[in-house]
Amino acid sequence: NAGVTQTPKFRVLKTGQSMTLLCAQDMNHEYMYWYRQDPGMGLRLIHYSVGEGTTAKGEVPDGYNVSRLNKREFSLRLESAAPSQTSVYFCASSYSAQGGYEQYFGPGTRLTVT
Amino acid sequence: RKEVEQDPGPFNVPEGATVAFNCTYSNSASQSFFWYRQDCRKEPKLLMSVYSSGNEDGRFTAQLNRASQYISLLIRDSKLSDSATYLCVVSPSGGGADGLTFGKGTHLIIQP
Repeated sequence: NAGVTQTPKFRVLKTGQSMTLLCAQDMNHEYMYWYRQDPGMGLRLIHYSVGEGTTAKGEVPDGYNVSRLNKREFSLRLESAAPSQTSVYFCASSYSAQGGYEQYFGPGTRLTVT
Repeated sequence: RKEVEQDPGPFNVPEGATVAFNCTYSNSASQSFFWYRQDCRKEPKLLMSVYSSGNEDGRFTAQLNRASQYISLLIRDSKLSDSATYLCVVSPSGGGADGLTFGKGTHLIIQP
């Protein structure tokens, strides 16, 4: 049981380049999330999805687009990367969004934008 | 404004000691509370949920104080493997997929 997987693990981009981060979960979860984690800032929600074909903005959505490809996969795209997007990106999934649910996180993608 | 506050530490504690840290939250309507653990350069993982009556899981005890709006985590007989960052997580009433607020974490170092 792989849980939540993310690709790639590391990436270096130049300013203005684009890239897509991929996330997949094999737990049949409805809800999926993209977070970024920066030193001293904690985890911040970028976008999330409550089911196939649906997406919604989180706390820090600017500069990012997402797509819920199917129930298993949720992608995050940076169209024109900026140095401010240097961060560690975590994908997570959960069975429900009601109180008491657990979010399962992927191993993260470390992105540097120069 | 969503806010969860934690002392960032680091807490340097000798092996075998008991350590406790708190987390305060600003939204009085919050209903669900959790402690996550994050190892260096790894993803967060759920350590335990926090229930109104308090709960214990082995060496770990979590308490909720709604009146003062804080939750606590107590670790007894600390092990070297307990060294990690502990994230306080709060969810407001009604849940909602965007509802989880993460604290910035408390860094714990267990020393031999």
